[in-house]
Amino acid sequence: IAGITQAPTSQILAAGRRMTLRCTQDMRHNAMYWYRQDLGLGLRLIHYSNTAGTTGKGEVPDGYSVSRANTDDFPLTLASAVPSQTSVYFCASSRSGGITDTQYFGPGTRLTVL
Amino acid sequence: KQEVTQIPAALSVPEGENLVLNCSFTDSAIYNLQWFRQDPGKGLTSLLLIQSSQREQTSGRLNASLDKSSGRSTLYIAASQPGDSATYLCAVNETSGSRLTFGEGTQLTVNP
Repeated sequence: IAGITQAPTSQILAAGRRMTLRCTQDMRHNAMYWYRQDLGLGLRLIHYSNTAGTTGKGEVPDGYSVSRANTDDFPLTLASAVPSQTSVYFCASSRSGGITDTQYFGPGTRLTVL
Repeated sequence: KQEVTQIPAALSVPEGENLVLNCSFTDSAIYNLQWFRQDPGKGLTSLLLIQSSQREQTSGRLNASLDKSSGRSTLYIAASQPGDSATYLCAVNETSGSRLTFGEGTQLTVNP
């Protein structure tokens, strides 16, 4: 069982380019999340999805979009990347999105926007 | 807006020492608090989850306490080992879902 996989592991991207970060989980978890981690700011929630077909905005959603077409996949898209989106991005999932759930994290994608 | 603070930012101890990591949060209306471990260049691993109605949770050498009214949690690590070296993050869940607000973490180094 792989848990959560993210791709790519790292990426250098020119400003203005479109980029999709992939996240796949094989635990049949209903809820999935995208965070970014920045020095001095910690982890901040970008978008979340409590179940397939639904999404919601987190603390820092601007410049990002997500989709949840099925249970396993939760891609994060940067429509037109900017240097301030340089960060480490973590995808996470939890069983039902309820208050008793532990979140499981992927290994992260390190993104640099030049 | 909920704010989560972790003190100290970094801690270095000799092997075998017992230690306490601190976490405070500004809004006590939380559903649960979680402690995570993050190794360099890796994702987060959940260590302990404490429900708002609970006072503490234990797992092996780890014990986490929660004082919701004062907005504080501690993570106690007994008999520390070099393998415990990592960054420890606490996070609170203040929504009906499972969306977390994180502290910046405490970077722990256990010296052999």
